[in-house]
Amino acid sequence: KAGVTQTPRYLIKTRGQQVTLSCSPISGHRSVSWYQQTPGQGLQFLFEYFSETQRNKGNFPGRFSGRQFSNSRSEMNVSTLELGDSALYLCASSWDSGIYNEQFFGPGTRLTVL
Amino acid sequence: GQQLNQSPQSMFIQEGEDVSMNCTSSSIFNTWLWYKQEPGEGPVLLIALYKAGELTSNGRLTAQFGITRKDSFLNISASIPSDVGIYFCAGPNAGNNRKLIWGLGTSLAVNP
Repeated sequence: KAGVTQTPRYLIKTRGQQVTLSCSPISGHRSVSWYQQTPGQGLQFLFEYFSETQRNKGNFPGRFSGRQFSNSRSEMNVSTLELGDSALYLCASSWDSGIYNEQFFGPGTRLTVL
Repeated sequence: GQQLNQSPQSMFIQEGEDVSMNCTSSSIFNTWLWYKQEPGEGPVLLIALYKAGELTSNGRLTAQFGITRKDSFLNISASIPSDVGIYFCAGPNAGNNRKLIWGLGTSLAVNP
């Protein structure tokens, strides 16, 4: 079974631009969660989608948004990029939320904002 | 809000040594999770703990759910070079157990 895939793996943008990151979950998984990982703050929960609906949201500004498609693939978008948005963005999929022993992470997208 | 404090922040040990790390919180957790992250990869779940006092092993790894429910410990016995990585503790947010709260990690380096 293929794992969680994230594209692109690396991205360099400049301040003010916007970016879209993609996450393809494991086949059959309907829950996709997104996290931002930085050395100083660790992993911070961004949001979770389940069956195309946002089910949970973390404490991030409205510049961070996401969506999920009918095939469970998910995208997150960051508009008006700031230097502090430089981070590793991870997604994790599971067939439902709260099932941690069956939740799998992708390798992440490394975003650098210049 | 809830926070998890992990210690030590980093460790540099010799192959064959045992390793201990811990995670503490100012509030109660009902589930403790331990993950390992290697360079270029996402975190991988090592051990999940669901009951106070629970002691669970996964190969050379052993984790315990503290009796107070405010701490957890991870031990690695007879370390090997492939144990290198960052170890995270995490637990579900009390107000919304679908959100995970994460520690900042313990970085482990093993000298062969």
